[in-house]
Amino acid sequence: AQSVAQPEDQVNVAEGNPLTVKCTYSVSGNPYLFWYVQYPNRGLQFLLKYITGDNLVKGSYGFEAEFNKSQTSFHLKKPSALVSDSALYFCAVRDYGGGSNYKLTFGKGTLLTVNP
Amino acid sequence: KAGVTQTPRYLIKTRGQQVTLSCSPISGHRSVSWYQQTPGQGLQFLFEYFSETQRNKGNFPGRFSGRQFSNSRSEMNVSTLELGDSALYLCASSAGGSGNTEAFFGQGTRLTVV
Repeated sequence: AQSVAQPEDQVNVAEGNPLTVKCTYSVSGNPYLFWYVQYPNRGLQFLLKYITGDNLVKGSYGFEAEFNKSQTSFHLKKPSALVSDSALYFCAVRDYGGGSNYKLTFGKGTLLTVNP
Repeated sequence: KAGVTQTPRYLIKTRGQQVTLSCSPISGHRSVSWYQQTPGQGLQFLFEYFSETQRNKGNFPGRFSGRQFSNSRSEMNVSTLELGDSALYLCASSAGGSGNTEAFFGQGTRLTVV
């Protein structure tokens, strides 16, 4: 069964500093990996995805993520954090083991707080 | 183009009642998935529909059911509501099929069971 772990419930960074939100995954087939962000009382917004190709994926709002197959990790990064980046971040995996159904397995989420 | 629309945004129901939530996916998307979000359990997959067929189902009791119509709109029904069903219910749409498409989520329906 596929699974995702976000080891940090909360990450605090100062505005202007780089940020990293960690994610590790476990799948039986090839991983399709996603990052989503959730603001209070809102749905999830798609940030970026890794399907295949370059290990560094660039996404919305200046975010990027680094895929590392040997460490089964997909960490979210941003070079310079903004206060407006404060939100709940979810890592998700779709295990595309040959089936066509669409099911995402999410991590527990990491609350990012960017301090002014 | 319009995003995923979920109605209603908020619901308050009494234990034992039933509730129906609605989701209109992005135009052209044929896959609709439902997720339950709670503080304790996080985001949990309920089920996925594609072209009116349920393709996958999560580990929820039979009180939770869904369906999809020919225009890809989907409804989710919960019968005999329990206090523990209080949650944010999220609908996601995707083109379906291949694995390289992302899912787009609606704003969610906040269900409170009293």
